[in-house]
Amino acid sequence: KAGVTQTPRYLIKTRGQQVTLSCSPISGHRSVSWYQQTPGQGLQFLFEYFSETQRNKGNFPGRFSGRQFSNSRSEMNVSTLELGDSALYLCASRLTGTVNTGELFFGEGSRLTVL
Amino acid sequence: GENVEQHPSTLSVQEGDSAVIKCTYSDSASNYFPWYKQELGKGPQLIIDIRSNVGEKKDQRIAVTLNKTAKHFSLHITETQPEDSAVYFCAASGSGTYKYIFGTGTRLKVLA
Repeated sequence: KAGVTQTPRYLIKTRGQQVTLSCSPISGHRSVSWYQQTPGQGLQFLFEYFSETQRNKGNFPGRFSGRQFSNSRSEMNVSTLELGDSALYLCASRLTGTVNTGELFFGEGSRLTVL
Repeated sequence: GENVEQHPSTLSVQEGDSAVIKCTYSDSASNYFPWYKQELGKGPQLIIDIRSNVGEKKDQRIAVTLNKTAKHFSLHITETQPEDSAVYFCAASGSGTYKYIFGTGTRLKVLA
């Protein structure tokens, strides 16, 4: 079974631009969460999507948005990029329903550098 | 707000020794506490978890303990091996939600 796939793996943008990151969850996983990882800050929760609906949201500005498609694939978008947005963006999928154990399955991340 | 503090930020141990990483959470409604291991260039991977109705859980060389009263939980790794070298994250989440609050991570180095 394929794991969580994130694209692109690396990207460089300049301040003011916008970026879209993509995540394909493990087949059968309907929950997708996004996390921002920076040195010293650990993993900070951005949002979670389930059945195309945002269920939880972290404390990030409105420049950070996301969506989920009917096939459970998810995208996140960051508009008007700032230097501080440079980070590793991790996507995680989770099995839901009666077999849900709470375990998050992470992708390898998309490393964004803002110049 | 919700917060998870994790200590130490770095930890070096000799191969074969034990390693202990400690976390404290602020939200008393938290009831699920996973630990993730992140190797270089990879995403975090669950290594063990514990729920609030259990005080201790063990899986081979890894154990987790939970003190709900003090709102502390700890990861214990015995007989450490070089392949245990990685960054470890603790996390907490509340009932009915899978919004995980992660600690800031501990970089464990096992010296051969």
